[in-house]
Amino acid sequence: GAVVSQHPSRVICKSGTSVKIECRSLDFQATTMFWYRQFPKKSLMLMATSNEGSKATYEQGVEKDKFLINHASLTLSTLTVTSAHPEDSSFYICSASRVGGRLADTQYFGPGTRLTVL
Amino acid sequence: LAKTTQPISMDSYEGQEVNITCSHNNIATNDYITWYQQFPSQGPRFIIQGYKTKVTNEVASLFIPADRKSSTLSLPRVSLSDTAVYYCLVGTQGGKLIFGQGTELSVKP
Repeated sequence: GAVVSQHPSRVICKSGTSVKIECRSLDFQATTMFWYRQFPKKSLMLMATSNEGSKATYEQGVEKDKFLINHASLTLSTLTVTSAHPEDSSFYICSASRVGGRLADTQYFGPGTRLTVL
Repeated sequence: LAKTTQPISMDSYEGQEVNITCSHNNIATNDYITWYQQFPSQGPRFIIQGYKTKVTNEVASLFIPADRKSSTLSLPRVSLSDTAVYYCLVGTQGGKLIFGQGTELSVKP
């Protein structure tokens, strides 16, 4: 159990276009999902926390108007990179925190989406 | 949020036991310790989680001393496929996780 999927796995787009990335928890409900980006040979950087039915909370330095996050249901969160530019090229990874009563909910990560902006 | 410190890299040989230690001096009372494994171009994979003493599962063991200011991930008899980056994180329920630099483990034949 605890499978998280992402779609697409990789996308190439032209500069100025918008790209939507979907993150789904397949076999559990997730009240909270997280979005990360990762540059080559670097660690994961948390971009935002997405809560079902409410606005996302963005980390300092992350432009909320550029990285639009929607968490419409307990199993789906989307990240839209608006007006993408080459510097937005990166590996985007989502994670989902399982609904439950334990002290520490484990985060389960998706396989990631490789975005290349030409 | 508790900050973690790990060695940047480690080398090992197939069949050896590998121990990766993580320091988390300002861990909070409610924080759990979780270890993830990441292969290139893949999302991190959960390995093990613990609060105190020792936890063991089918792939690893986690040792946590009484003061909880550090933890050690133990991988028994590593193979080439264990070559990956290993991250130690501390966090609470539903809370965000801040990734440190991780430890790049290289297993050689």
